[in-house]
Amino acid sequence: QVQLVESGGGVVQPGRSLRLSCVASGFTFSNHVMHWVRQAPGKGLEWVAVMSYDGSNRYYADSVKGRFTISRDNARNTLYLQMNSLRPEDTALYYCARDPAVFVVVVAAMGAFDLWGQGTMVTVSS
Amino acid sequence: DIQLTQSPSFLSASIGDRVIITCRASQGISSYLAWYQQKPGKVPKLLIYATSTLQSGVPSRFSGSGSGTEFTLTISSLQPEDLATYYCQLLNPITFGQGTRLEIK
Repeated sequence: QVQLVESGGGVVQPGRSLRLSCVASGFTFSNHVMHWVRQAPGKGLEWVAVMSYDGSNRYYADSVKGRFTISRDNARNTLYLQMNSLRPEDTALYYCARDPAVFVVVVAAMGAFDLWGQGTMVTVSS
Repeated sequence: DIQLTQSPSFLSASIGDRVIITCRASQGISSYLAWYQQKPGKVPKLLIYATSTLQSGVPSRFSGSGSGTEFTLTISSLQPEDLATYYCQLLNPITFGQGTRLEIK
């Protein structure tokens, strides 16, 4: 079954850290560009970060640059998002999303999303 | 930064209606556009990529077109299951429109 399953969300105080994981199955994860996209409660979609298929390049939204780090372990079919210095405005449902592009080294904040996980909720509150 | 503005933000239409959602860019764009459908409580779904190419499995009543600063998503004959919020997305740089909530009358 082709799917993405996120985990690692929760309630955290401002300034603290959290690490999200996304496990892929049913397709060749190591071939695809991968993204994180978030959606605040009742709001629209906001792209967060992208990583090349081989982990060589990564780009971030300005709102998370310097605080979040995207990474991947192709041997484990897993995408990660390390979130540091969390703020209340980071509260959102975080989706892992597959890009249809394969064997692409991204050179900018670019891409589309053809497969989405169910999301993991992150709440930043004191 | 390029901004994408969708209109209308809210739309109420009847079964069988032709529905058009517009996505306007703040400046001319050379990159492709994608469209997503998000049903209430569900995950977004890719409908159209490369501005006008229908994603596999998406009903043919959905179509996309446009260039420059104006792009459209058209539903040729609205069905009950089309109740959803629709988002346009610029591929480079990644930018989303604010969404259009479609209600069935």
